[in-house]
Amino acid sequence: EVQLVQSGAEVKKPGESLKMSCKGSGYSFSSYWIVWVRQMPGKGLEWMGTIYPGDSDTRYSPSFQGQVTMSADKSISTAYVQWSSLKASDTAMYYCVRQSGWYGPPDYWGQGTLVTVSS
Amino acid sequence: DIQMTQSPSSLSASVGDRVTITCRASQGIRNDLSWYQQKPGKAPKRLIFAASSLQSGVPSRFSGSGSGTEFTLSIGSLQPEDFAAYYCLQHNSYPITFGQGTRLEIK
Repeated sequence: EVQLVQSGAEVKKPGESLKMSCKGSGYSFSSYWIVWVRQMPGKGLEWMGTIYPGDSDTRYSPSFQGQVTMSADKSISTAYVQWSSLKASDTAMYYCVRQSGWYGPPDYWGQGTLVTVSS
Repeated sequence: DIQMTQSPSSLSASVGDRVTITCRASQGIRNDLSWYQQKPGKAPKRLIFAASSLQSGVPSRFSGSGSGTEFTLSIGSLQPEDFAAYYCLQHNSYPITFGQGTRLEIK
């Protein structure tokens, strides 16, 4: 069974750093891409970027370029997204999603990680 | 960038009704479109891929159609568990883009 399990909820202060994870199982992790999606409170879904764990090649949304860093460790089937300095506007639910190729249809979703940034 | 215009943004319907949600792409995307359902407090779930292919395990009352720039998601004979938010997504070109979403509510 394909599963993406994300790290737990986080409460942070503005200016703090964060690295969240997404661990894949039930499939060949390095053969599929991982998409990251943001959902701000009460809002729709936004594509943040996509990473290919096979070689860590990454494409970022212009809205998130320079704001986050995506990475992956295929040896432990885990993808990451990190922030060096959080803002209150980063408060959101974040999802990872498996994708079959750069242009394939995203299929399986993680359960989401809720990030709350507040002073 | 390809813009995905989804309509309506909200919809009230009754159990047993048939409803249709539309996504229009700002340029042709072949059939590189998926539909997702999201229930409150839950992660989205894929319903349709390649514009019209039903995801395994999804009830047959869900159907998708379209190609190029105009796409529809239809739900025949609404069930109580279908009241949720629905999103389209295009993966034809980068940046990947979602529709704004449709909130389907019980009348």
